[in-house]
Amino acid sequence: EAQVTQNPRYLITVTGKKLTVTCSQNMNHEYMSWYRQDPGLGLRQIYYSMNVEVTDKGDVPEGYKVSRKEKRNFPLILESPSPNQTSLYFCASSFAGGTEAFFGQGTRLTVV
Amino acid sequence: KQEVTQIPAALSVPEGENLVLNCSFTDSAIYNLQWFRQDPGKGLTSLLLIQSSQREQTSGRLNASLDKSSGRSTLYIAASQPGDSATYLCAVIETSYDKVIFGPGTSLSVIP
Repeated sequence: EAQVTQNPRYLITVTGKKLTVTCSQNMNHEYMSWYRQDPGLGLRQIYYSMNVEVTDKGDVPEGYKVSRKEKRNFPLILESPSPNQTSLYFCASSFAGGTEAFFGQGTRLTVV
Repeated sequence: KQEVTQIPAALSVPEGENLVLNCSFTDSAIYNLQWFRQDPGKGLTSLLLIQSSQREQTSGRLNASLDKSSGRSTLYIAASQPGDSATYLCAVIETSYDKVIFGPGTSLSVIP
């Protein structure tokens, strides 16, 4: 089944403790992206990747890192999480930039 | 900077009605526009993608139109059903094929 898989689905952590949210797609897509969704602010793009080893900042990249060492994986790294990063995070992939996007189920992160 | 708005923010209709959701964007230089639905606690599901060169796309009871020059897109849902209850989001992809800007969404409730 074609899908985008995020792990974990739920995560509670403490301020400053590094964490990684994984994202994997099995559709051989070139384009992958991370978003956060907050009440009243909607979905905002954090980082995106047009292909392996190519990443770029979206609208809200501060406090996040990403890497794209393999085509199928695009992990989101929070080196020192803070409470304002409490949010619902989505990973998405598409065949290429500008084509139909497929989303993961989301990761609900709480930083206390 | 591209801004995307959606009207109305919420809509409640009786089952069987036809309805229109609106999406507006400030910069007409877009590559394409995509409509999604989001069910509570779940990820986004792609509904329709309209290329900037197209005027409309249809899938079943859904029809999406795009007027680039006026910065507008509409999603028409025919003969609404309770299963259509969800939040509907539009997203524009900029001409660089990379950045994606989402609207805040319209929360639709179809009453049996």
